[in-house]
Amino acid sequence: AQSVTQLDSQVPVFEEAPVELRCNYSSSVSVYLFWYVQYPNQGLQLLLKYLSGSTLVKGINGFEAEFNKSQTSFHLRKPSVHISDTAEYFCATIIQGAQKLVFGQGTRLTINP
Amino acid sequence: DTEVTQTPKHLVMGMTNKKSLKCEQHMGHRAMYWYKQKAKKPPELMFVYSYEKLSINESVPSRFSPECPNSSLLNLHLHALQPEDSALYLCASSQEYRGPNEQFFGPGTRLTVL
Repeated sequence: AQSVTQLDSQVPVFEEAPVELRCNYSSSVSVYLFWYVQYPNQGLQLLLKYLSGSTLVKGINGFEAEFNKSQTSFHLRKPSVHISDTAEYFCATIIQGAQKLVFGQGTRLTINP
Repeated sequence: DTEVTQTPKHLVMGMTNKKSLKCEQHMGHRAMYWYKQKAKKPPELMFVYSYEKLSINESVPSRFSPECPNSSLLNLHLHALQPEDSALYLCASSQEYRGPNEQFFGPGTRLTVL
């Protein structure tokens, strides 16, 4: 079954440091992948998505992700984080056929000054 | 307007109460969703409406009753809830249900059942 696994439940980093949030997917068919961010006490906002084409996907707020088919990964990166990036980040995929959006368990990104 | 609105923001109810959650979007989207999110967990799909018809019910207990009065509105009627139903309830919409369409989420209603 299609699924995504987020490898880190928490990632603490210092402000202005680079960050990578890891996501692995399992799928034997075409895959659609998403990264969502949830700021405290808010709903989810789409950061970026991979549907097809270029494997390097650029999103909002300076985030980018690279689709790696050989490693079945879709890691999220930002070269320099800000305090305002403190949030929960969810990797997600669509289960084709069922057309359901399923999420990983989330990674809590904490930025320390 | 790329916004999904939800009311109320917070709701406290007893186990014998009847209440409703409301969701609205004016993006012309034809698919709307209800999710339940427990603390420190990802959202879990509850219901999907496509073109105002219920397409998916993820085996949700009947004490949760969805309703889609028109293409812009989605309600979730609550009756005889249990304390374990306390959670953040998120509404989302997308252009279509089929295909890799981006889902736009509302800010959620935080529900507490006493």
